[in-house]
Amino acid sequence: AQTVTQSQPEMSVQEAETVTLSCTYDTSESDYYLFWYKQPPSRQMILVIRQEAYKQQNATENRFSVNFQKAAKSFSLKISDSQLGDAAMYFCAYRRGAQKLVFGQGTRLTINP
Amino acid sequence: GAGVSQTPSNKVTEKGKYVELRCDPISGHTALYWYRQSLGQGPEFLIYFQGTGAADDSGLPNDRFFAVRPEGSVSTLKIQRTERGDSAVYLCASSFPSGGQNTGELFFGEGSRLTVL
Repeated sequence: AQTVTQSQPEMSVQEAETVTLSCTYDTSESDYYLFWYKQPPSRQMILVIRQEAYKQQNATENRFSVNFQKAAKSFSLKISDSQLGDAAMYFCAYRRGAQKLVFGQGTRLTINP
Repeated sequence: GAGVSQTPSNKVTEKGKYVELRCDPISGHTALYWYRQSLGQGPEFLIYFQGTGAADDSGLPNDRFFAVRPEGSVSTLKIQRTERGDSAVYLCASSFPSGGQNTGELFFGEGSRLTVL
């Protein structure tokens, strides 16, 4: 079974600085998706960034970028120029095809003004 | 509607009672997923529908939990004889079918918080 591991329960960063959240996963498949979702106190999961495993180029969305290491099964999220609105729980997730999304345990990110 | 809608937003019930949680997915999304999220944890998969049928119900914890999607749109998660351990946020998500417009992303509702006293 696929598993997703986030080894950092909590992280904090100064406003305007850069922070990296770690994620590793386990799968025997070669074609899949990886995601980072953000969950603010409102509870709704919001997609931050997605990566297709067959693409070697790391995905980027404005201040958010990933470091995708397929052989190492690692998928870290880098947030540049951190803003107060980035404070939330961040979940790494794996999905193959139309199957279920498998989540990690989450990392609580605090932004210090 | 524009997004995934879940009702009720909050539900407080007594141990042993029956509850229903409703999910209205994004129009055109044939896949629908239910997850359960305990405080401070990542969401845990419960069940996934493709159209009207349950394609994977391996996450349902026991036979007190049941879900339906009779017309391939709205889904209802039903919990019988509720226990205090059922207290959690129940999240619903939907997505396009495989291929085509499917970017792999699941679109989530705001969840229903269930509290069993």
